[in-house]
Amino acid sequence: DTGVSQDPRHKITKRGQNVTFRCDPISEHNRLYWYRQTLGQGPEFLTYFQNEAQLEKSRLLSDRFSAERPKGSFSTLEIQRTEQGDSAMYLCASSPSSGLADEQYFGPGTRLTVT
Amino acid sequence: EDQVTQSPEALRLQEGESSSLNCSYTVSGLRGLFWYRQDPGKGPEFLFTLYSAGEEKEKERLKATLTKKESFLHITAPKPEDSATYLCAVHRGNNRKLIWGLGTSLAVNP
Repeated sequence: DTGVSQDPRHKITKRGQNVTFRCDPISEHNRLYWYRQTLGQGPEFLTYFQNEAQLEKSRLLSDRFSAERPKGSFSTLEIQRTEQGDSAMYLCASSPSSGLADEQYFGPGTRLTVT
Repeated sequence: EDQVTQSPEALRLQEGESSSLNCSYTVSGLRGLFWYRQDPGKGPEFLFTLYSAGEEKEKERLKATLTKKESFLHITAPKPEDSATYLCAVHRGNNRKLIWGLGTSLAVNP
């Protein structure tokens, strides 16, 4: 299977701890996105990479959130000093550079629970 | 303000009972409209991209259509396995950030 993969699938952490999630996009896709989704809501945009460059970051993203894509392949999303409000599903998506519009293919997500 | 609104919020159908889901949008410079299916606890699964008014796309029991103001996802003779949340998103201009609706939760009873 050559779809988007995410690791871990579930993470339970205590408030104040740091967590890091990994995303492996579809291999030929050079665009990578991170989203956050809570129950009953659509995905909320966090950040976007084209190759290794982080081109856009949501204003809603606090300084506790950081993302990297060092070699233009996999990406990591780190949340420092987690808060209960960070509990959500964190989704990664990738898309090819060609095409009229940005068809994004999503991974299975990482479910974060902050206790 | 750019906005995507989906209706109804929830829909319950009997197996075989055809219906339509609506996605209305107000965005400038539409580049594409996307439909996704999402099962509980999983990431959205890509279904269709529509680029211009009048365009239609089909996949099994699903058919998506687009006008200048809205898109419809028609479900013909649904089966219980079609139960999911259906999300609509639009891509406008040169901004890579998609604008998402809240989704329609569909339940198909056997």
